[in-house]
Amino acid sequence: KAGVTQTPRYLIKTRGQQVTLSCSPISGHRSVSWYQQTPGQGLQFLFEYFSETQRNKGNFPGRFSGRQFSNSRSEMNVSTLELGDSALYLCASSGTFDRGVHEQYFGPGTRLTVT
Amino acid sequence: AQSVAQPEDQVNVAEGNPLTVKCTYSVSGNPYLFWYVQYPNRGLQFLLKYITGDNLVKGSYGFEAEFNKSQTSFHLKKPSALVSDSALYFCAVRRRRWGFQKLVFGTGTRLLVSP
Repeated sequence: KAGVTQTPRYLIKTRGQQVTLSCSPISGHRSVSWYQQTPGQGLQFLFEYFSETQRNKGNFPGRFSGRQFSNSRSEMNVSTLELGDSALYLCASSGTFDRGVHEQYFGPGTRLTVT
Repeated sequence: AQSVAQPEDQVNVAEGNPLTVKCTYSVSGNPYLFWYVQYPNRGLQFLLKYITGDNLVKGSYGFEAEFNKSQTSFHLKKPSALVSDSALYFCAVRRRRWGFQKLVFGTGTRLLVSP
């Protein structure tokens, strides 16, 4: 079974631009979560989607948004990029919705550099 | 709110020696606990989880972890370290409640196994 895929793997943008990152979960997984990883802040939860609905959201400004499509693929968008948005963005998928026991499977991440 | 503490930024161990990577957590009620490993330029890989039952959990690559409720700890262990175990290790906690509960990660511990 193919793992979680993320595109693109690397991205360089300038301040003020916007960016869209894509994530395809493991086949059959309906829950997709996004995380930001930086050396200073570690792994920070962005949001979680299930069946095209945002179920949980972390403490990030409104410039960070996401969506999930009917095939469970997800995108996240960052508008008006700032230097501090430079990070590794990780997507994770997990199995059917239940009491949260399922582990998450992570993609390789998208390395975003803002100059 | 839940939180995870990994008190050691780095753990150094010689190959063949036992290793321990420490993790303590704070959560209301009972937790779900996870360990993940991250190799350079890669996403996180799931190692093991504690849901309920036996306090000693066995996972991938010979790793195991012991859940200690009284000490709110979930330390990762391996009887004999390999150089290839060198990586960044993350402990994570999720509340045991119905509905979507986000996964909260510790800051990570870098494990360095010397030949």
